[in-house]
Amino acid sequence: AQSVTQLDSQVPVFEEAPVELRCNYSSSVSVYLFWYVQYPNQGLQLLLKYLSGSTLVESINGFEAEFNKSQTSFHLRKPSVHISDTAEYFCAVTGGSQGNLIFGKGTKLSVKP
Amino acid sequence: DGGITQSPKYLFRKEGQNVTLSCEQNLNHDAMYWYRQDPGQGLRLIYYSQIVNDFQKGDIAEGYSVSREKKESFPLTVTSAQKNPTAFYLCASSMGPRKTEAFFGQGTRLTVV
Repeated sequence: AQSVTQLDSQVPVFEEAPVELRCNYSSSVSVYLFWYVQYPNQGLQLLLKYLSGSTLVESINGFEAEFNKSQTSFHLRKPSVHISDTAEYFCAVTGGSQGNLIFGKGTKLSVKP
Repeated sequence: DGGITQSPKYLFRKEGQNVTLSCEQNLNHDAMYWYRQDPGQGLRLIYYSQIVNDFQKGDIAEGYSVSREKKESFPLTVTSAQKNPTAFYLCASSMGPRKTEAFFGQGTRLTVV
């Protein structure tokens, strides 16, 4: 069965520092990959997705993720974070038995001034 | 605007009481999902529906029931058989199984009092 591992449950960083949130998935077959962001007491919002083509995908607010098939990874990066980036981030992959997405357990990003 | 609407945002349940969480979408999506979110555990699939009048159990369906009488609506009932119902519940929809991303509602926080 497909699985997703987010290696860090919490990541504290200072404002304007770079950050990397790590995500590994289990399957070597073709998959679609996603990063979602969740602010407190809200639903999940799609941040970016990899379906095919270029292995580097970008969001409108400066995040990027790179699909690495050989390492089965899809790490999320931002070169300079803001206080407003404080949220929980979820990595997800297609492949659930019901056609659903499989989610990692989430990484809480805390940006400090 | 198209989207998914969950109501209520907060819900309180007494011991032994059934409660129903509403989920409506106007995205014309075929597939709808219910997830449960607990701190540090990510999202776990409760029920899934691919088409009207059809639904399947997810990983943690015990103590829950659903219906799909209309394409737009997928209500979730938390029954008295669910022994630990306090959680954040998220409804999602997608164009179909394995078809790109899921879109989420804003969630319902259920608390047992």
